[in-house]
Amino acid sequence: EIVLTQSPDFQSVTPMEKVTITCRASQSIGSTLHWYQQKPDQSPKLLVKYASQSISGVPSRFSGSGSGTDFTLTINSLEAEDAATYYCHQSSSLPYTFGQGTKLEIK
Amino acid sequence: QLQLVESGGGVVQPGGSLRLSCAASGFTFSNHGMHWVRQAPGKGLEWVAFIWYNGANKYYKKSVEGRFSISRDNSKNTLYLQMNSLRPEDTAVYYCAKDPCSSNTCYSDFWGQGTLVTVSS
Repeated sequence: EIVLTQSPDFQSVTPMEKVTITCRASQSIGSTLHWYQQKPDQSPKLLVKYASQSISGVPSRFSGSGSGTDFTLTINSLEAEDAATYYCHQSSSLPYTFGQGTKLEIK
Repeated sequence: QLQLVESGGGVVQPGGSLRLSCAASGFTFSNHGMHWVRQAPGKGLEWVAFIWYNGANKYYKKSVEGRFSISRDNSKNTLYLQMNSLRPEDTAVYYCAKDPCSSNTCYSDFWGQGTLVTVSS
């Protein structure tokens, strides 16, 4: 099973700040890594597909990068509405797995 | 617009059974693979099962294989998850999610609102 390890687990940030969340895979997964945002009491929402491909309707301040085993989600100029938990997810091989999540708190 | 509406959750005793349903609308259901993903209270996301667009192939997380069965009825635009021999550790919100691909998994591009399953005596 491919293990995805996110860091940090929790981050408290101020609006307008730049945020970087990393996701490391236990083995190479190419670019089959996707990012989701989950706000409290809501279902997850797709932010980035295949490591760096943007999603229609997602604000441009969200971007992804990486390949192989190391991936990054970057949020430029954080807004209050970005308070949420962020998950990475691999669809390279079964069983598909998620990272443990990174909770962003807005100060 | 796209809609996925889960139902069938509830409280069940250990060893019991439940069948979850996911009613799809706003897209051509029969063209897409579908996932079930769960989230235990206060915990992260856990992939459970995937089914091809035509039901020909099904894949499961190891801990549910042999107890859970994913299926679909394309004439009713509905996805199912039959859960047998339920354990307390199966307690979670269960989400159905649409895959933009038909057979091999791509990713989940849209999720339902979830249905809560509680396994407790």
